[in-house]
Amino acid sequence: KQEVTQIPAALSVPEGENLVLNCSFTDSAIYNLQWFRQDPGKGLTSLLLIQSSQREQTSGRLNASLDKSSGRSTLYIAASQPGDSATYLCAVVRDNYGQNFVFGPGTRLSVLP
Amino acid sequence: GAGVSQSPRYKVAKRGQDVALRCDPISGHVSLFWYQQALGQGPEFLTYFQNEAQLDKSGLPSDRFFAERPEGSVSTLKIQRTQQEDSAVYLCASSVDSYNEQFFGPGTRLTVL
Repeated sequence: KQEVTQIPAALSVPEGENLVLNCSFTDSAIYNLQWFRQDPGKGLTSLLLIQSSQREQTSGRLNASLDKSSGRSTLYIAASQPGDSATYLCAVVRDNYGQNFVFGPGTRLSVLP
Repeated sequence: GAGVSQSPRYKVAKRGQDVALRCDPISGHVSLFWYQQALGQGPEFLTYFQNEAQLDKSGLPSDRFFAERPEGSVSTLKIQRTQQEDSAVYLCASSVDSYNEQFFGPGTRLTVL
């Protein structure tokens, strides 16, 4: 059974810092991995989608990497801003069966002005 | 609208009542997913439709949970004889087809008293 963990559970940083969020999964047979942002009381907003054949994806200040063989992904946020404060979730889609995501528990990020 | 919509946004039910939660996916999206998100946790998969066919319902926690998508567009998640442990946010997502990026609705927050 696929299990996804995220470290740290919560993170508080001053504005302007670069930071890294970590995601680990137990079964490397994944089709893709997606990073989401969730604001309180809101749904999930997709940030980056990495296919299993890719090593990284970039969007603006965000960069996500994938090491499928070791079961790890990182989300790098450059020059953090207070508006980045949210919960960040990673999710993996299993290979060859089913299209549903298995989510991690999330990292709650606070960027202090 | 352009995104996934869900209704109601909030639902309070007395234990034992039946509830129905609605999801309107993005027009033309073949795949539709339901997830359950408990407080402080990542979403957990409930069920998946491709058009009107329910291809995976392995995540439904009990036979009190039932989902349908009769015409391949709008979907309804029904919970019979609600229990307190059913209290959660129920998220709906849709995608163009299997294995593509999923777009999430804002969720329905269900509170069972």
